[in-house]
Amino acid sequence: DIVMTQTPATLSVSPGERATLSCRASRSVRSNVAWYQQKPGQAPRLLIYAASARAAGIPARFSGRGSGTEFTLTISSLQPEDFAVYYCHQYDNWLSTFGQGTKVEIK
Amino acid sequence: QVQLQESGPGLVKPSETLSLTCTVSNGSLSNSYWNWVRQPPGKGLEWVGYINYSGDTNYSPSLRSRVTISVDTTNNQFSLHLSSVTAADTAVYFCARAAPFLSARVYYYYIDVWGKGTTVTVSS
Repeated sequence: DIVMTQTPATLSVSPGERATLSCRASRSVRSNVAWYQQKPGQAPRLLIYAASARAAGIPARFSGRGSGTEFTLTISSLQPEDFAVYYCHQYDNWLSTFGQGTKVEIK
Repeated sequence: QVQLQESGPGLVKPSETLSLTCTVSNGSLSNSYWNWVRQPPGKGLEWVGYINYSGDTNYSPSLRSRVTISVDTTNNQFSLHLSSVTAADTAVYFCARAAPFLSARVYYYYIDVWGKGTTVTVSS
C-alpha cells in the first residue's frame, strides 16, 4: 500500500494568515493527488485534483503543488470558514489511500 | 449536478451483514468509478472499494474477505455488503463518484462527488 503522511497533525493559524499543509507519499504517485476539506458532520469536499487543479467553485486562495512524493496545499489568507480538517488522497493505482488529516484551527 | 444518497439500516448486530445502497441522481453510472469510503468516529477516511458500470470491482485488502460491492444499472444504484461485522466496523459510510482525468494518455480517477454519509453502528 502507498502510505500518505500528512504534516502537521494540527496547524494553529490566525484568520488572514497563510497556511501550508504537507503530504508525503511512501512512493511516487506522479501527480495523482487530491485534497479535500471536511467540516464536522459533513462529507469531504473536493478542493484540488491532479495535484494542482482547483475544483469547480473553489476560491483562488486554495492552491496545490507537487509531484512524485511531496505535495502541499496552501491557503493564502485563511477565512473563518476554512477552519476544518484537510485530507490528501492518492489515486495513482487501484488501491487509493488517504492521509490521516491535518486539522486547521483558529490560533 | 450528480447527487448521491446513501440508504440502509443504522444499526447492525455483530456477526451480521451490513448492507447499504447508494442512489445516483442526475447522472449516469457509465464512465466513472463508484466508491465506498468509511470514517470511524473521530478518525480519518478509509477507502473500502469501488465498482464501475460493467461490474469490475476492487476492494481494500484489509476488507477483501468480507466485502462485496454490486451495481444495479436499471435503478442507477450501487450497493455495499460487509459481512461478519464487529464494533470496529462502526463508522459513517460515504458513497462517492470517481471521475476520469486524462494524464499522459492514461485515465486516472479522482473522487469528486460525495454522498452526505450514513452512520452505521454495530451493536447488539
